[in-house]
Amino acid sequence: DAKTTQPNSMESNEEEPVHLPCNHSTISGTDYIHWYRQLPSQGPEYVIHGLTSNVNNRMASLAIAEDRKSSTLILHRATLRDAAVYYCIPFSPWVGTPLVFGKGTRLSVIA
Amino acid sequence: NAGVTQTPKFQVLKTGQSMTLQCAQDMNHNSMYWYRQDPGMGLRLIYYSASEGTTDKGEVPNGYNVSRLNKREFSLRLESAAPSQTSVYFCASNPPGTGFVGTQYFGPGTRLTVL
Repeated sequence: DAKTTQPNSMESNEEEPVHLPCNHSTISGTDYIHWYRQLPSQGPEYVIHGLTSNVNNRMASLAIAEDRKSSTLILHRATLRDAAVYYCIPFSPWVGTPLVFGKGTRLSVIA
Repeated sequence: NAGVTQTPKFQVLKTGQSMTLQCAQDMNHNSMYWYRQDPGMGLRLIYYSASEGTTDKGEVPNGYNVSRLNKREFSLRLESAAPSQTSVYFCASNPPGTGFVGTQYFGPGTRLTVL
């Protein structure tokens, strides 16, 4: 499994963009990069995933470095509901092994 | 669709008691998973089932058994509960197909306390 490094915590003001970084320097060429988040007292929730190109969906954007050794999850306008722990997870769909969650980044949003 | 459901939501056990945590999904997913999350920690995989009729150990399987009853249901059993098994337990499932297997859908969790 590729090792990931994320900040333990980050803080953002409401309505401002948030950039959540993740280093995954040992990622293999076939690993997708997944992001999940976990709101307080809830199960994890899928956010976004990508392989090489940047990706956008209704929740967030994912920017992947050209060498794929790092990625950044972008929340364009943070809301109070976005306060959660965010997990970056490299994952190889062909290995058949499940997701491996680290400790993630705890995002606080200030009104 | 209800998605992934788990029962019970809360449970208190005494050391040595047994219980089964139930999980069901109505999304026709092939793979199902059981995770545990200790306070302030990330999730750790206990067992998973890649498809009906198969189960495999995850990172922390000791003290647990699982049954993939059918495609919908995946249960987790604690035969003799210990205080170290106090945790929040999450069940998850994901749809078939390469490229999507990392998209897991999680249940709301079962909060278990072992005294």
